[in-house]
Amino acid sequence: QVQLVQSGAEVKKPGASVKVSCKTSGYTFTGYYMHWVRQAPGQGLEWMGRINPNSGGTNYVQKFQGRVTMTRDTSISTAYMELSRLRSDDTAVYYCARATYYYFSGSMPYDALDIWGQGTMVTVSS
Amino acid sequence: DIQMTQSPSSLSASVGDRVTITCRASQSISSYVNWYQQKPGKAPKLLIYAALSLQSGVPSRFSGSGSGTDFTLTISSLQPEDFATYYCQQSYSTPQTFGQGTKLEIK
Repeated sequence: QVQLVQSGAEVKKPGASVKVSCKTSGYTFTGYYMHWVRQAPGQGLEWMGRINPNSGGTNYVQKFQGRVTMTRDTSISTAYMELSRLRSDDTAVYYCARATYYYFSGSMPYDALDIWGQGTMVTVSS
Repeated sequence: DIQMTQSPSSLSASVGDRVTITCRASQSISSYVNWYQQKPGKAPKLLIYAALSLQSGVPSRFSGSGSGTDFTLTISSLQPEDFATYYCQQSYSTPQTFGQGTKLEIK
């Protein structure tokens, strides 16, 4: 079945970098965008950006520009999200999520995050 | 960026109740709204896409409506497993944005 399996929890010091992996199975990796969403403790969902696994093209939220890099390795159907210059307020659960496009006649396609990874807790603490 | 404002932030209801959660966009976004359910310690789950289309496997007591700037998620008859936090999300433009969430609690 379709699965996204993320790497394990990380503890990092302020100023360090973290790289979270998202290994996919059960579908054609290059056929679906991969999004990254984070959730700080007790808070809501925050969209970080997305990658087109086919082309490698990315879109990032402005607030993360220069700190976030989303990449992929198509040979192993895995997406990565690296966040640098970590701060304490980067402490959160980070999710990868597959986007599926839905097509209706007469309109542009719609996309939604239909499959999610289990989440990776990243703790930033000195 | 498009802001998504959900109301209420929290809601107490009983099993069997009909519940409606509202999401308002800061600009018109056609029907580019999705709804997710999240339970504690779990990843979100897609319920509704394109404002009113039910995701496969989701019970029919969930429904969505709206277009333009105002959207609703309705649960027709609450079940014990529906107590969770619900989020709307706009996919009209990047950056995609989520509402702040509505926590649905047992009365």
